[in-house]
Amino acid sequence: DVKVTQSSRYLVKRTGEKVFLECVQDMDHENMFWYRQDPGLGLRLIYFSYDVKMKEKGDIPEGYSVSREKKERFSLILESASTNQTSMYLCASSRWVGGEGEQFFGPGTRLTVL
Amino acid sequence: GESVGLHLPTLSVQEGDNSIINCAYSNSASDYFIWYKQESGKGPQFIIDIRSNMDKRQGQRVTVLLNKTVKHLSLQIAATQPGDSAVYFCAEEGGNTPLVFGKGTRLSVIA
Repeated sequence: DVKVTQSSRYLVKRTGEKVFLECVQDMDHENMFWYRQDPGLGLRLIYFSYDVKMKEKGDIPEGYSVSREKKERFSLILESASTNQTSMYLCASSRWVGGEGEQFFGPGTRLTVL
Repeated sequence: GESVGLHLPTLSVQEGDNSIINCAYSNSASDYFIWYKQESGKGPQFIIDIRSNMDKRQGQRVTVLLNKTVKHLSLQIAATQPGDSAVYFCAEEGGNTPLVFGKGTRLSVIA
């Protein structure tokens, strides 16, 4: 079974802090994604990556950056956390080149910024 | 992500009845569609998918119907059970772009 793990289930940070959310997948997938999920807004794509050291902006990249130094790991970085970044963050991975096909999700990290 | 949406944000169904969750999409170039189920406290899980060269696909208790003429996708769940209570998302894909997700429908099963 594909397994996507996220470093924390719950996280509380203060405004202005630098926040790292880590995601690891164990199925040698090419593609990895970061979403945020807010009530009534569904899943919104923040950043994605089709290869190591490669990244592409999604629909809402402002205030975020990412790092993919190894194939299995994709990190989301909030350079200076703000209260409007309080949300559920979901990481996903998929196999096929070009990002097509089913995505497998991690359990999510619920981030609260005070 | 706004091109994919759901007609109803919430749906309540009696246990044992069939459920139908609808989804409209606007990108006529989309050629691959997925339904995901998200239970409380968990990430979305794949239920069933369909490609645009098909009109219907069946799984275990679930059926996905695709009407490309009106750009409409539906998920049918037969004999709905309490364990089916969740938020259901449709997602579409066309070309070399990531999946675009709808906003979700919450299904509540009444025992």
